[in-house]
This record gives sequence, structure tokens and C-alpha cells, in this order.
Amino acid sequence: SYALTQAPSLSVAPGQAARITCGGDNLETYSVHWYQQRPGQAPVVVIYDDSHRPSRIPERFSGSNSGNAATLTISRVEAGDEADYYCHVWDRDTNRGIFGGGTKLTVL
Amino acid sequence: EEQLLESGGDLVQPGGSLRLSCLVSGFTFDSFCMSWVRQAPGKGLEWVSSISGTGSTTYYGDSVKGRFTIARDNSKNTLYLQMDSLRADDTAVYYCAKDRANVDPYYLDVWGQGTLVAVSS
Repeated sequence: SYALTQAPSLSVAPGQAARITCGGDNLETYSVHWYQQRPGQAPVVVIYDDSHRPSRIPERFSGSNSGNAATLTISRVEAGDEADYYCHVWDRDTNRGIFGGGTKLTVL
Repeated sequence: EEQLLESGGDLVQPGGSLRLSCLVSGFTFDSFCMSWVRQAPGKGLEWVSSISGTGSTTYYGDSVKGRFTIARDNSKNTLYLQMDSLRADDTAVYYCAKDRANVDPYYLDVWGQGTLVAVSS
């Protein structure tokens, strides 16, 4: 079955860029979505359909998808960006939702 | 404002049953797919099940297929998850989530706060 792979953790200094990757076989043929989950809170979508940002999400959040990897980029990282980030696709071949294992972003 | 409010989480014994509910407001319920996503303690998100806007099409993850049933009552703006033959590894916070699509699931744009299901003897 299809699987998405994420690094478990990433640490970034404030003001620097964070790049969180999501790997999957031929991932560019899927629409990839990204969710932010702060401690004790429900997930929130920050990027949908590879690179689209909901209106309430800061412009510092952007996404891309090419080949076998999708990337969520957070520019000028702030303390409030510290959270778990999950990638997600809907697999139309098997009609299953799939989440990556999540990446814990720590702001140093 | 779009809101989702889950209820029904509880402590249940292995082999038991439980029904979760999700009451929604702030949007036209039957225009969107709905999903359940769970998160075991200290673990990541796991997609559980989805249902189309009319309720005519349902989808299940392999770990719950045959044991869980998703349903919706569009006249009551409520989504359900009937959970039977519960196991210890079903212990999780269960989130109700609204999809952006009507027929085939796409992405989850609104989430509830979750309800805790604990399976233990």
C-alpha cells in the first residue's frame, strides 16, 4: 500500500527557513496537503493541493511537489511555528486517506 | 463560523462497542464529505473513514474495515462512527473533520477538537 515518509524531527533557529519534506513513490501525481498541529490542539490545514495557502495562513508558509517529494517551507520561522507537521494525500487508486508520520518542528 | 463538536468518547472494554457523534454548524452539511481521523497517545494522525456528502459512498482504513461503520444524518447535521469489536489499539483521540469536496475526499479544512476513546479492561 502507498506510504508517505517524513523525518521525525527538525530544529531551526528563529528567523531561519524550515523545510519539511514528505516522500512517496511518484508523489508528484498526488495532491499533497499539509497540516500543523500545535501541542494539545486539533490539526489545521496550512497548505492544500501542493502549494495553495488558506487565507488565514501567513504568507511565510509555502509548498511544492515534484518527483518523489513534497516540501513545506516556512520562511522566517517564529516560536509560534513550533508544532507537528503532517503531509496527507487521498489515494484514488485504493480510495484511502494517507498521512505521513509527522515531523516535529522545534524552534531553537 | 464552521464548527464541529464531537461526543461519545468513553472508556470501554475490549470487544465492546461505542458510537461517536459529530454535530456540525456553520455550513451546508450535505455539500461536503466528512471524515474521522484518529491519533493514538503520543502518535501521529491516522485516517479512519470518510463518507460522501449524500452518504451513498463510504471509505474505510484497513485497520477498521469490517468493525467500524461511518454514517451521517443530513437532517440532523450529524456525522457518526459506530465502533464494534473494539481493541486496545483503537485507543485514541478521534477527530471529526470536514472535507472540501462533495463526492471524493480531497483535504480536511475544518477539524473538531476530538473525543477520547480508551479501550481497556
